Amino acid sequence: GENVEQHPSTLSVQEGDSAVIKCTYSDSASNYFPWYKQELGKRPQLIIDIRSNVGEKKDQRIAVTLNKTAKHFSLHITETQPEDSAVYFCAAGFNKFYFGSGTKLNVKP
Amino acid sequence: EAGVTQFPSHSVIEKGQTVTLRCDPISGHDNLYWYRRVMGKEIKFLLHFVKESKQDESGMPNNRFLAERTGGTYSTLKVQPAELEDSGVYFCASSQVKTHDLPQHFGDGTRLSIL
Repeated sequence: GENVEQHPSTLSVQEGDSAVIKCTYSDSASNYFPWYKQELGKRPQLIIDIRSNVGEKKDQRIAVTLNKTAKHFSLHITETQPEDSAVYFCAAGFNKFYFGSGTKLNVKP
Repeated sequence: EAGVTQFPSHSVIEKGQTVTLRCDPISGHDNLYWYRRVMGKEIKFLLHFVKESKQDESGMPNNRFLAERTGGTYSTLKVQPAELEDSGVYFCASSQVKTHDLPQHFGDGTRLSIL
C-alpha cells in the first residue's frame, strides 16, 4: 500500500516568513494530492490540492509543487500570518487517501 | 449546504463497553469514508462506502469494528467491545461518486476516549 511521510513534525516561523512542508509517497499509482489544515478542535479543511498531471499550483499565499519522478510534493506558505498556525496534513491516493503524520505550524507574531 | 456531521462529538466509555458513532454525509455524496487519528499520528483510512456497499474495508483494525450504511445515507461505526487502543479521533468524510478522488469533505470528528 501507499506510505506517506511528512516533515517536519513541527515548524515555527516568524510572522511574514515563508513555511515549507514536505511529503513523500511510495505508490506511483497515486494521482491526487490534497493538503488539509486542521485548527485546534476543528475539522480538517482542504486548503489546496494538485493532480499528478500538474507540477505546481498556486492560490494566493499558498502553493503546492509535485515531483512525480521523485514522488514528493511540498506545501509553501508565503507571508505567514498568526492565523496560519495549525496542523497541516498532506495526503496521497488514488481510490483512497493515505495521510502524512501532520506538521504543527506555529507562526509567531 | 450542510457539511458532514458526526455524532457524538465526544464519547468517554470504559473498556469492554460498546460505542456507536454516526456520520451524516453531505447530501448527494455517495462516497463515505471513515478515518481514525490516534494521538500524534497520521490520519488512517478505515473504510470506504459507495452508497450502501463497502468498497474497501482494508483499514479496519479488527472484527471489533463494524461499519454499516443501510440505505446508503448515514453511516454508523460500532466498536464492540472497546479496548484502550481504540482511543482517538474518528473522522468521517464524503465525496461525490463521479469523481471519487475529488476533495473529501471532513466532519468535525468524534473524540473517543476509552478508560
